[in-house]
Amino acid sequence: DQQVKQNSPSLSVQEGRISILNCDYTNSMFDYFLWYKKYPAEGPTFLISISSIKDKNEDGRFTVFLNKSAKHLSLHIVPSQPGDSAVYFCAASATNFNKFYFGSGTKLNVKP
Amino acid sequence: DVKVTQSSRYLVKRTGEKVFLECVQDMDHENMFWYRQDPGLGLRLIYFSYDVKMKEKGDIPEGYSVSREKKERFSLILESASTNQTSMYLCASSKGGGRAKNIQYFGAGTRLSVL
Repeated sequence: DQQVKQNSPSLSVQEGRISILNCDYTNSMFDYFLWYKKYPAEGPTFLISISSIKDKNEDGRFTVFLNKSAKHLSLHIVPSQPGDSAVYFCAASATNFNKFYFGSGTKLNVKP
Repeated sequence: DVKVTQSSRYLVKRTGEKVFLECVQDMDHENMFWYRQDPGLGLRLIYFSYDVKMKEKGDIPEGYSVSREKKERFSLILESASTNQTSMYLCASSKGGGRAKNIQYFGAGTRLSVL
């Protein structure tokens, strides 16, 4: 049973527009969340994180929003660039947990 | 920069063979992990280790074992490869013994095909 779900396998966005990638989780104990980006033939690389004490974290063009009541987080990329085309994974963990739980990934295609 | 190196990018093995996947990290990280990535299933944790000679089962350990004789090296072993173990295997490492919240750094992956 997946505790972290990314229900959109793929997303296509025009260059310059906003990309919104969504992630839902079921375990209310999760209090730390990460987003990773993965290019083909490479391993995932860390992109941005958020702790449950915040509802937003921003890093340049990337912003992650956390809605604890809805058990939902989203990654916003503004403006989207062709180089952002990749698979994005969200991951969640908790203070007393010893591992991360990963979603199934969303493949983002940013069209020039 | 953290570097996690997986010994092979592509492997083709036959059913029943014993397979070794090797992973080495150069940042003196305590934690090391093995995942497999399958379409629609994301990254699933096979085994992890917090210290030399320590190992813990992840979510899907069946059919796998691991070895960590040195801090920098974590090996995944398929005792008798089967076709359902055809997958992308990813190794990762992170700081801190036993703490999940430290960011994990991944290798490029090994794509294993079992025929």
